[in-house]
Amino acid sequence: DTAVSQTPKYLVTQMGNDKSIKCEQNLGHDTMYWYKQDSKKFLKIMFSYNNKELIINETVPNRFSPKSPDKAHLNLHINSLELGDSAVYFCASSQDGGINEQFFGPGTRLTVL
Amino acid sequence: AQSVTQPDIHITVSEGASLELRCNYSYGATPYLFWYVQSPGQGLQLLLKYFSGDTLVQGIKGFEAEFKRSQSSFNLRKPSVHWSDAAEYFCAVGARGSQGNLIFGKGTKLSVKP
Repeated sequence: DTAVSQTPKYLVTQMGNDKSIKCEQNLGHDTMYWYKQDSKKFLKIMFSYNNKELIINETVPNRFSPKSPDKAHLNLHINSLELGDSAVYFCASSQDGGINEQFFGPGTRLTVL
Repeated sequence: AQSVTQPDIHITVSEGASLELRCNYSYGATPYLFWYVQSPGQGLQLLLKYFSGDTLVQGIKGFEAEFKRSQSSFNLRKPSVHWSDAAEYFCAVGARGSQGNLIFGKGTKLSVKP
């Protein structure tokens, strides 16, 4: 009965590779988000989708591309991985895109070698 | 510029002692304020939130926070800390119309001494 789930939990890969992180929520929420948490624990929003429509797109390299096949899923695809992409990526969801509580997934720790 | 400041990077308290974690914000609109907790290797869990009304809000796990508009602060408190409270605590601010764009502080790590 996990509310927000992410796969994989850990991802280790080489520079230059392309990888995807999947996120699913079973809360019936309309809005989903991707956050990046760096090595100093600083958490910053990357994207948000509301009903499969991109709402927030912060200053993120265009190597990062979110994809929302339906409102329960928001995947993150990263092309040409770089060392600086190493971080923990969190998916979250909320009921509508307003200012409701965001529910976070457990995170995906990405390590780029 | 919109920002959230958590002045204390790391705090250590004894079990049973009281706790106050500080949070100051700078935000152009009427703020909505949140405190989240992150246990090691886990995602973030909401402790409490303030939207409007009573400036003292109660949350889960015995936490409370007080919104002070004049001081642009939203400090988190707990009267008696338990060892299981050891975690990272994040203050966040947003606003109506911000489309869920929360701005997080850099977090305060709480250690609890037996």
